[in-house]
Amino acid sequence: DTGVSQDPRHKITKRGQNVTFRCDPISEHNRLYWYRQTLGQGPEFLTYFQNEAQLEKSRLLSDRFSAERPKGSFSTLEIQRTEQGDSAMYLCASSFSGDHEQFFGPGTRLTVL
Amino acid sequence: KQEVTQIPAALSVPEGENLVLNCSFTDSAIYNLQWFRQDPGKGLTSLLLIQSSQREQTSGRLNASLDKSSGRSTLYIAASQPGDSATYLCATSHNTDKLIFGTGTRLQVFP
Repeated sequence: DTGVSQDPRHKITKRGQNVTFRCDPISEHNRLYWYRQTLGQGPEFLTYFQNEAQLEKSRLLSDRFSAERPKGSFSTLEIQRTEQGDSAMYLCASSFSGDHEQFFGPGTRLTVL
Repeated sequence: KQEVTQIPAALSVPEGENLVLNCSFTDSAIYNLQWFRQDPGKGLTSLLLIQSSQREQTSGRLNASLDKSSGRSTLYIAASQPGDSATYLCATSHNTDKLIFGTGTRLQVFP
């Protein structure tokens, strides 16, 4: 399968712990996006990369959040000092430059106790 | 700031019915509009992408239309099946390509 993959699929952590999620985009896509989705809502944009450059960050992305895409391939999203309000589904998507259809991965569901 | 609204929030229909899901947006300066399907606890599956210069797109039993001037899109599902049960989300993109989503329409098709 050559779709977008995310790891882990589920993460349960205690408040105050750090967590890191990984996203592997479709191999020929150079754009990668992170979104967050809470129950009953549509996804909300967090940040996106073109190759290794982080081009936009939402104000939802507080100082506790950091995202990287070091070699322009996979990306990681780290949340430091997790809070219960961080509990959500974290979705990754990728697309071509110039072809703006975004393809989504299965998501990582984070539960902060 | 773009706001995307989807009506109805939930819909329950018998199998075989044709149905229409609605999506409206406040800023007509969109680059494109995308319709997605989401099964419970899963990621999003792209259904149709309509570029701003297009009026509609079709894929199988699905047809999506776009009227930029009125800020509306509709997703038409023909001959609905129980397997169509899911949440349907529309999203608009602008120059930066980030998607702005509605809250979705939760569809249930019963046999």
